[in-house]
Amino acid sequence: GEDVEQSLFLSVREGDSSVINCTYTDSSSTYLYWYKQEPGAGLQLLTYIFSNMDMKQDQRLTVLLNKKDKHLSLRIADTQTGDSAIYFCAEISYSGGGADGLTFGKGTHLIIQP
Amino acid sequence: EAGVTQSPTHLIKTRGQQATLRCSPISGHTSVYWYQQALGLGLQFLLWYDEGEERNRGNFPPRFSGRQFPNYSSELNVNALELEDSALYLCASEAGALLETQYFGPGTRLLVL
Repeated sequence: GEDVEQSLFLSVREGDSSVINCTYTDSSSTYLYWYKQEPGAGLQLLTYIFSNMDMKQDQRLTVLLNKKDKHLSLRIADTQTGDSAIYFCAEISYSGGGADGLTFGKGTHLIIQP
Repeated sequence: EAGVTQSPTHLIKTRGQQATLRCSPISGHTSVYWYQQALGLGLQFLLWYDEGEERNRGNFPPRFSGRQFPNYSSELNVNALELEDSALYLCASEAGALLETQYFGPGTRLLVL
């Protein structure tokens, strides 16, 4: 079955760049996503990338996709305390019956050190 | 523009009871997805509704069911509640059935005692 793997924790200093990595297994994924979940809140879509792209930049966020290695990364430049959250990587999953919805990784806890 | 809304925000039930969770999608969105986020298990896909029909379901028992109304809002029903059903239930809406971008609500936190 489909699987999305992420590291559970990442600790960075305020002002540094954060790089959150993700690997996925479904080679038929058309879109890959990054979601952010702050304490007690639902998920917020941060950004997404179409599978025929290698990179997407949106202000402080840069998404890199290596389709050959099925590796996705999210870089947050100039990390701030407000970036403290859990970051979920997600891919669209498919089965013989069609689309199954999004498959999420377990999330990476981003911890900001002052 | 209002986002996806869910109610209630918190729900406490006892084992064996039934829970009903509600979701209103973003205006103009016809697809609604339900996900379960249980401790230690990450997010798991539950159900997908589009244009009033159940399009797909995840690997959950039949006591998890739902429906989508003509105004595209949706209900998730969980019968015969078990302790392991305690989780955050997230609803997401999408403009069409193309699985492009899903927007999530704040979730309903269900606690089964």
